[in-house]
Order: sequence, then C-alpha cells, then structure tokens
Amino acid sequence: NAGVTQTPKFQVLKTGQSMTLQCAQDMNHNSMYWYRQDPGMGLRLIYYSASEGTTDKGEVPNGYNVSRLNKREFSLRLESAAPSQTSVYFCASKDPLPLHFGNGTRLTVT
Amino acid sequence: GENVEQHPSTLSVQEGDSAVIKCTYSDSASNYFPWYKQELGKGPQLIIDIRSNVGEKKDQRIAVTLNKTAKHFSLHITETQPEDSAVYFCAASLQGAQKLVFGQGTRLTINP
Repeated sequence: NAGVTQTPKFQVLKTGQSMTLQCAQDMNHNSMYWYRQDPGMGLRLIYYSASEGTTDKGEVPNGYNVSRLNKREFSLRLESAAPSQTSVYFCASKDPLPLHFGNGTRLTVT
Repeated sequence: GENVEQHPSTLSVQEGDSAVIKCTYSDSASNYFPWYKQELGKGPQLIIDIRSNVGEKKDQRIAVTLNKTAKHFSLHITETQPEDSAVYFCAASLQGAQKLVFGQGTRLTINP
C-alpha cells in the first residue's frame, strides 16, 4: 500500500499562474483533506471532503478550489497564484481515525 | 471552534534525557488527542493518541498524559535518541468530527 500519494513534490509558479495539486489514497477512506503548513503556524485546513461528492471549506479556503474526483482522488487548484500561497501543502485521509498524511508538495510563488 | 496552543516552539535536550511538550485546548467537548511526528521532507506521522476516557497512555519510550479538567495534554519522550529529532504536532477534536485542529508544532533537537 502506498497510502496517500501527492504530486508534484516541488513546484515553482509565477504570480497569476494556475496549477492543480493532485492527491490519491489507496486505503478506501471516505474523508480527505488539504492542509497548508507555514513556519510557526502549524497545519491549517484549507478544504475537506467528508465523502465522495461533498466538499467543505476549512480555516483558510480563500484562493483555492477543490474537486473530489472519486473516492480515491482529491485535487486542490490555485486559479491565480499569489506569493502568500507559498507553502508546503499536505493531503490527508481518514476513515474514521487516525489521519494519514502524504509527503507534501512544496510550492513557491514568485 | 476548537483552538490548540502548543509549547515550547523549540526544545533542545541532551541525548538520554527526557523531553516534554505541552498542549492546551479550548473546547471541553474534545475527546481525541493525537500526536504526530514530522521528519524533514516528510508528512506528519501518528506516533500516539489518547481518548478522553483514559488519563495516560504509554508506548515504549513515549507517553501521553491528559488532564480534562485543566484542558491540557502532554507528550513525554524518555531516554531520547538522535532519531527523536523532528517536529512534533499535537491536535484535538471530537472523535466523530471531520476536522482535527493542530497546535503550532515543536521542533525537538537531540544533542549527542
């Protein structure tokens, strides 16, 4: 089992560019999450999907959109990247506990 | 909503000594308290968790204690080793809830 797989591992964008971060899990979990990690701020929830077909905003959703493509896949889209979105992004899943994380995507917006 | 505060933000201890990281939470309804370890370049990984029906849980050199009255819980690592160097996160939630709220993290360094 691979667990939670995120692609890409690294990405550099220019301000205004768009991109989609991909996440897939092979544990048959119902719930999936996107977090961002910034120094001194811990892990902050961007969006989550409690089950296939549903998505909800977390603590910091502005500037992001998500798609729960099927039970396995949950993508995060930045439509117009801003320097404030420079961060490490983690996808996670659970059903019901504990939460399992991927290894992250390090995104730099210049 | 829930708010979790974690202290200290950095901790440096000598190899073989003990390390303690503390967290406080705000929502008295929370009943699930996990601890995660994050190594460099990796995602956080669960190391131990505790439900509110117990006050302490141990797993080899790691233990977690919970004080529901005071709304705080702590991670204790004994006989620290270099491989314990990492960032540690606490979190809190209701067991059936969708959202886990994390503390700010503690960077633990074990000095040889």
